[in-house]
Amino acid sequence: GAVVSQHPSRVICKSGTSVKIECRSLDFQATTMFWYRQFPKQSLMLMATSNEGSKATYEQGVEKDKFLINHASLTLSTLTVTSAHPEDSSFYICSAPVDSNTGELFFGEGSRLTVL
Amino acid sequence: GEDVEQSLFLSVREGDSSVINCTYTDSSSTYLYWYKQEPGAGLQLLTYIFSNMDMKQDQRLTVLLNKKDKHLSLRIADTQTGDSAIYFCAETEGSNSGYALNFGKGTSLLVTP
Repeated sequence: GAVVSQHPSRVICKSGTSVKIECRSLDFQATTMFWYRQFPKQSLMLMATSNEGSKATYEQGVEKDKFLINHASLTLSTLTVTSAHPEDSSFYICSAPVDSNTGELFFGEGSRLTVL
Repeated sequence: GEDVEQSLFLSVREGDSSVINCTYTDSSSTYLYWYKQEPGAGLQLLTYIFSNMDMKQDQRLTVLLNKKDKHLSLRIADTQTGDSAIYFCAETEGSNSGYALNFGKGTSLLVTP
């Protein structure tokens, strides 16, 4: 079945550095991908919608310059957390719709970011 | 955004049925989903239901939808210890919202032997 893969699954970085997370659709094309953020013991919050070939659409309250999203191809979207700080530590998950009839989404495995 | 509410915890004995409830506020919800998240892992789609359906059954899982009350439930029959996880209810307007999902906070299910 359709698979969405994220990399890296875990990353630890120093405060002030930038971290890139990749989200790939492995056997299907995704013109749209969604980036979610999950705080411990909380729900997933939609951060932005990544659109292939155009700018991402960010949810209210999400800093565009902080969380850079690039959707350069139909199978790859990247999220770059720039100048990361400890409060950016979180679980980031991407997803892509695989069925326009059902709206079914496949989720990546998630990437746990820890900023020291 | 619109609210999706779930109870936070549920504890059941192995072999019993589990019922996880969810309420939502968006009357434009087109699709409603149940996702399972095991510790440290991503999300796994369990099942989904269209808003024009009342019930959907898939092996041990039964989804009931009361659109009038905006109430969704997930029943797991013969609950096993491997079912212990966090279950998220989610809804989307579908193409109007680009299929972006609105999640509840998740219900932590604990299955005891």
